[in-house]
Amino acid sequence: EVQLVESGGGLVKPGGSLRLSCAASGFTFINAWMSWVRQAPGKGLEWVGRIKSRTDGGTTDYAAPVKDRFSISRDDSKNTLYLQMNSLKTEDTAVYYCSTDPPGYWGQGTLVTVSS
Amino acid sequence: DVVMTQSPLSLPVTLGQPASISCTSSQSLVHSDGNTYLNWFQQRPGQSPRRLIYKVSNRDSGVPDRFSGSGSGTDFTLKISRVEAEDVGVYYCMQGTHWPRTFGQGTKVEIK
Repeated sequence: EVQLVESGGGLVKPGGSLRLSCAASGFTFINAWMSWVRQAPGKGLEWVGRIKSRTDGGTTDYAAPVKDRFSISRDDSKNTLYLQMNSLKTEDTAVYYCSTDPPGYWGQGTLVTVSS
Repeated sequence: DVVMTQSPLSLPVTLGQPASISCTSSQSLVHSDGNTYLNWFQQRPGQSPRRLIYKVSNRDSGVPDRFSGSGSGTDFTLKISRVEAEDVGVYYCMQGTHWPRTFGQGTKVEIK
């Protein structure tokens, strides 16, 4: 059974940093492209970024609102995906989901609240 | 970015009756590889999104056959042949042809 379990969310002040993790199991993580998607409270879904598998270059792509502030990485030895978020803004407040790419599987999400 | 426009945004339906959601993209979703990467997701209250349909009309494993997807180019439709109580939630279309991926605004399905 495929499982994606996010962690690391919480309350952070504007300008602060946070790192989210996503532990994957039930599929061959090393071959998978992975993504982060977020959902602001009461709002729709927004793509954050993606990382390809290492064999496909391991490159990343980001949505414009987070480019240069967020960074996606992976540790294939730990089957774990990361989202490093810097220079956080109040508008980054959202539930952050990790998903496979294509997005057939999703985690349960972790809430990030950016507030003073 | 490709803009995905859904209609209606709110859809009250009677149990057992059909429902239909439209999704229109601002650009063709036909990829250079010939595929059309249009997905449909269901998000029940308090839950994570769940993919129902990929590449326009392919149902994911475990998705009831009352859900069907159709369309081409820039115009797509999700149909529920007979709405059941468990279908309440918000439905999103999403394009995976162009970067960045973009979602529709969501259509809230509720029971009358």
